[in-house]
Amino acid sequence: GAGVSQTPSNKVTEKGKYVELRCDPISGHTALYWYRQSLGQGPEFLIYFQGTGAADDSGLPNDRFFAVRPEGSVSTLKIQRTERGDSAVYLCASSLIGGGTRSTDTQYFGPGTRLTVL
Amino acid sequence: EDKVVQSPLSLVVHEGDTVTLNCSYEVTNFRSLLWYKQEKKAPTFLFMLTSSGIEKKSGRLSSILDKKELSSILNITATQTGDSAIYLCAVFTYLYNQGGKLIFGQGTELSVKP
Repeated sequence: GAGVSQTPSNKVTEKGKYVELRCDPISGHTALYWYRQSLGQGPEFLIYFQGTGAADDSGLPNDRFFAVRPEGSVSTLKIQRTERGDSAVYLCASSLIGGGTRSTDTQYFGPGTRLTVL
Repeated sequence: EDKVVQSPLSLVVHEGDTVTLNCSYEVTNFRSLLWYKQEKKAPTFLFMLTSSGIEKKSGRLSSILDKKELSSILNITATQTGDSAIYLCAVFTYLYNQGGKLIFGQGTELSVKP
């Protein structure tokens, strides 16, 4: 289908390692979002891209987390020196325009990557 | 601090029952309220509400927003086992110089028994 895709679906790593999580948004969607969902909680915002630029990265927990979207389509979330507390499901969403001064649009989510840090 | 609160946190019903899920919010720069259904991992979109008092309906599901009370409800009639899932309420907030994001509640876990 033409939905949001994320790879890998599961990632197990050891404490201290580096990981990359990939998101492929719906074709033509200019806005892309990353969220993190811990067990029993709702998703929490990490970062929002409008095109190639990160318009809001206020949700990134610390400087070990970084995300890029170099061509305005695929995005990669990068986590350095992983810690056990980083274990969660990382969700990516995309929307057509991301909202504006008078508008809003629907975010569609991918299946997520379940990250487990041992 | 912006927050979205859902109640109840969990609910067990029998097939055929009608359920009402609640969502209240305190956020700045409100643009819309969205409901998602989450089975396994991916939240799937149900409704987006922007105007107060206008019911949105899809089959056995319906939802309405009350901007005066800063709340929304999601109704499911004649529940089926396939309705078992976590239902997430989220508010989309937007700032001109930052863009938008969804603020989620903690979810209501619905279990429908045969």
